[in-house]
Amino acid sequence: DAGITQSPRHKVTETGTPVTLRCHQTENHRYMYWYRQDPGHGLRLIHYSYGVKDTDKGEVSDGYSVSRSKTEDFLLTLESATSSQTSVYFCAISERRVGANLTPLHFGNGTRLTVT
Amino acid sequence: SQQGEEDPQALSIQEGENATMNCSYKTSINNLQWYRQNSGRGLVHLILIRSNEREKHSGRLRVTLDTSKKSSSLLITASRAADTASYFCATDATSGSARQLTFGSGTQLTVLP
Repeated sequence: DAGITQSPRHKVTETGTPVTLRCHQTENHRYMYWYRQDPGHGLRLIHYSYGVKDTDKGEVSDGYSVSRSKTEDFLLTLESATSSQTSVYFCAISERRVGANLTPLHFGNGTRLTVT
Repeated sequence: SQQGEEDPQALSIQEGENATMNCSYKTSINNLQWYRQNSGRGLVHLILIRSNEREKHSGRLRVTLDTSKKSSSLLITASRAADTASYFCATDATSGSARQLTFGSGTQLTVLP
């Protein structure tokens, strides 16, 4: 596995509470991504980062915010968790931007979040 | 919205048989990638095929791409129990200011010993 660590691996939280998921990489890759995986939907992009303090929205960004203050860390925050945000969250990294030089993504092992 | 759609959703075969999974997509692409996901783990990149390529091999994997039909197939030959996993195709697409990969919903492959 590429050097990607997601924490926590599992979390149960109540509706309305804030939640922060962390992705830490040791590969010094510039690009980092947060996806969520739900049955029947595959993986959907939430937010991504193309450098320190440079982030942009993905397909399903509503209700989520991100921050990247260091190359190695990319945080995903649910400001007020809802049951619809129950999902498995994956962080991914890439050395170059998607579409450039045919770079693949490397994934962490995911965080399973349950919002009750 | 999903760019790639895999078919079938689930496939069960005996060890030693070949497994074929298909992926259809909607818009023009630069490349198409296949990933594997073992239960409880993240996705692992398997193979990438460029839009100007028609076929690519990697070990027991063979990928084909038909851009006129907007479809791709992944063939796993001489399957093993360890090939049991979900397989996803992913296409690059432009969204906002950068390109991102868009994933299909996957094919669950079960290889029976």
